[in-house]
Amino acid sequence: GENVEQHPSTLSVQEGDSAVIKCTYSDSASNYFPWYKQELGKRPQLIIDIRSNVGEKKDQRIAVTLNKTAKHFSLHITETQPEDSAVYFCAASSYTGTASKLTFGTGTRLQVTL
Amino acid sequence: NAGVTQTPKFQVLKTGQSMTLQCAQDMNHNSMYWYRQDPGMGLRLIYYSASEGTTDKGEVPNGYNVSRLNKREFSLRLESAAPSQTSVYFCASSLLDPDQPQHFGDGTRLSIL
Repeated sequence: GENVEQHPSTLSVQEGDSAVIKCTYSDSASNYFPWYKQELGKRPQLIIDIRSNVGEKKDQRIAVTLNKTAKHFSLHITETQPEDSAVYFCAASSYTGTASKLTFGTGTRLQVTL
Repeated sequence: NAGVTQTPKFQVLKTGQSMTLQCAQDMNHNSMYWYRQDPGMGLRLIYYSASEGTTDKGEVPNGYNVSRLNKREFSLRLESAAPSQTSVYFCASSLLDPDQPQHFGDGTRLSIL
């Protein structure tokens, strides 16, 4: 089955700096890669996603890149703000022919300090 | 628009007790999922239902059963709760297509003593 590794497990940056979180996946058939943000005690919420026919996608201060050959994808947050502090999860989607399943990384706790 | 609704939000059980976690979605999604979230381990898939009438095991199905009652509702049952099942349980739903995001409920925090 799919295996997703995520690094780093914790990341501390100063407000205004950039943050980068990296993930690798094992199943070359995976074709959809969402990123979720989870604030303390809350549900995971989708912040950005990328499909395998695209190499990069941006949404304001957030961007995601995908390298299918190397089987890794990354989340980039620029001009970080205190409200960006949360746990971020990457995921890879595999399709069985009848159902799609997400395999999640173990999460990155991002702390943005003033 | 409620999205994905889970009940209860909190529950404390004694070892050996049984209970059912309820999940309902109003987004007309075909697929529904149950995850557990433990510290440092991300979200792990327990069971999923690709469409009404079908259910399949995920990564950690032991000790759990599920029922896809109709298109809207997908329940998770613990027949004989064990302390190792103390966790936060999330239900999610999505369209059937392989490149569609999953939408999560608020979770159920379950403690088993």
